[in-house]
Amino acid sequence: DQQVKQNSPSLSVQEGRISILNCDYTNSMFDYFLWYKKYPAEGPTFLISISSIKDKNEDGRFTVFLNKSAKHLSLHIVPSQPGDSAVYFCAASDGKVIFGPGTSLSVIP
Amino acid sequence: DTGVSQDPRHKITKRGQNVTFRCDPISEHNRLYWYRQTLGQGPEFLTYFQNEAQLEKSRLLSDRFSAERPKGSFSTLEIQRTEQGDSAMYLCASSLGEPFNEQFFGPGTRLTVL
Repeated sequence: DQQVKQNSPSLSVQEGRISILNCDYTNSMFDYFLWYKKYPAEGPTFLISISSIKDKNEDGRFTVFLNKSAKHLSLHIVPSQPGDSAVYFCAASDGKVIFGPGTSLSVIP
Repeated sequence: DTGVSQDPRHKITKRGQNVTFRCDPISEHNRLYWYRQTLGQGPEFLTYFQNEAQLEKSRLLSDRFSAERPKGSFSTLEIQRTEQGDSAMYLCASSLGEPFNEQFFGPGTRLTVL
C-alpha cells in the first residue's frame, strides 16, 4: 500500500502560469516532507522541504503548502518556466524517506 | 564536481549472473542510501548506512541482495543470481546528519537482466 500518493501522473501548464503539484500521504507519523525534481538520465535533485510543524515554506518561485489534517501537501511553481519541465517526486520521512510515484510536469512555451 | 558518483551507469547481464554496483558518496557525508526505481514509480528504499554501519534494510532487499560500506566511504550493492524482476534503476544517495536532511542522489545504475 502506497504511503505517499501523487494521483496525477502528468500535468501540462503554459509558461508564466502557476503549476500546482499535489501529494497525499497516509502515515500520520511522517514529520518531514520533501520535493525532488528529476530530469531524464539524472538522479533526483532536492527542491524544497517542509517540517510538519509548519504549513508553508517558500523559496523563490517554489512554495510548499502542508495541510496536516487532510494529510495533503502541494508544490506551487510561479511563474512556471520551460526549464521546470521534469518529473517531480513528493517524499515523506519518519526516519527513512518514502517517495511518491511522481508527476511529470510539462511547461509549454 | 564532487557529487555522488555511481559505477557502472549501465549493466546488462544474463539471468542467474551476479552483479556488483559501486557508489561513491560526497566525501563528508556520513549517511549513504540505496534505492531502486522502476518505470513509473518513485525511488523505493532498500537500505542505508550511517558511516560503516548498515542501520536498516527494507523487506524488498531479499537474501540475494547485499550491501557493504566497509570503511564508511564508498559502498557496494551486490545482487546474486539475478532475476528478470531485478531490472531497474539502482540509485545511491548520501546526506549529512539527520535522516531527513537533503539527500544528494547519484545518476543511478540501470540494470537490465535478460
